Amino acid sequence: DVKVTQSSRYLVKRTGEKVFLECVQDMDHENMFWYRQDPGLGLRLIYFSYDVKMKEKGDIPEGYSVSREKKERFSLILESASTNQTSMYLCASSFHLAVLSYEQYFGPGTRLTVT
Amino acid sequence: GNSVTQMEGPVTLSEEAFLTINCTYTATGYPSLFWYVQYPGEGLQLLLKATKADDKGSNKGFEATYRKETTSFHLEKGSVQVSDSAVYFCAPLMNTGFQKLVFGTGTRLLVSP
Repeated sequence: DVKVTQSSRYLVKRTGEKVFLECVQDMDHENMFWYRQDPGLGLRLIYFSYDVKMKEKGDIPEGYSVSREKKERFSLILESASTNQTSMYLCASSFHLAVLSYEQYFGPGTRLTVT
Repeated sequence: GNSVTQMEGPVTLSEEAFLTINCTYTATGYPSLFWYVQYPGEGLQLLLKATKADDKGSNKGFEATYRKETTSFHLEKGSVQVSDSAVYFCAPLMNTGFQKLVFGTGTRLLVSP
């Protein structure tokens, strides 16, 4: 079974802190994604990566950065956390070339609260 | 522009009732279409998909048909169970310079015994 794991299920941080969210997948997937999920807004893509050291901005990259130093690991960084970044963060991964079968595998999510 | 519209929830049904969750989209061309489901406390998982017009995706008793004429991909199930209680997301695969899933806002389904 494909497994996508996220470092924490719940996280509480203070405004201005630097926050790292880690995601690891075990299926040798090329693509990895970070989304945030908010009530009434669904999932919005923050960043994605299609290869090691490669990254692309999604729809809402402001206030976030990412790092992909190894194929299996994709990190989301909040440089200076703010209260409007309180949200559920979901990581996902997929194969690169399976365009017509574009299944993304999701982690369980990290609920981040910034106070 | 590319967008997806999903019916608002929550949808509240009794066990064995018929379920429809509407989904329509606007896109250039004919995107592949997906339904994802999120059970309480979990991440999303793929429920079913359809890759071309008139295709029917099906899984776990759920079905959805790719309707090119109405740009719709409504999710249906003939007899829901309590265990189907979850949030359902419609997600076309859009080409916006790169291929990406565009998720609807999600529809919460609550099934009571």
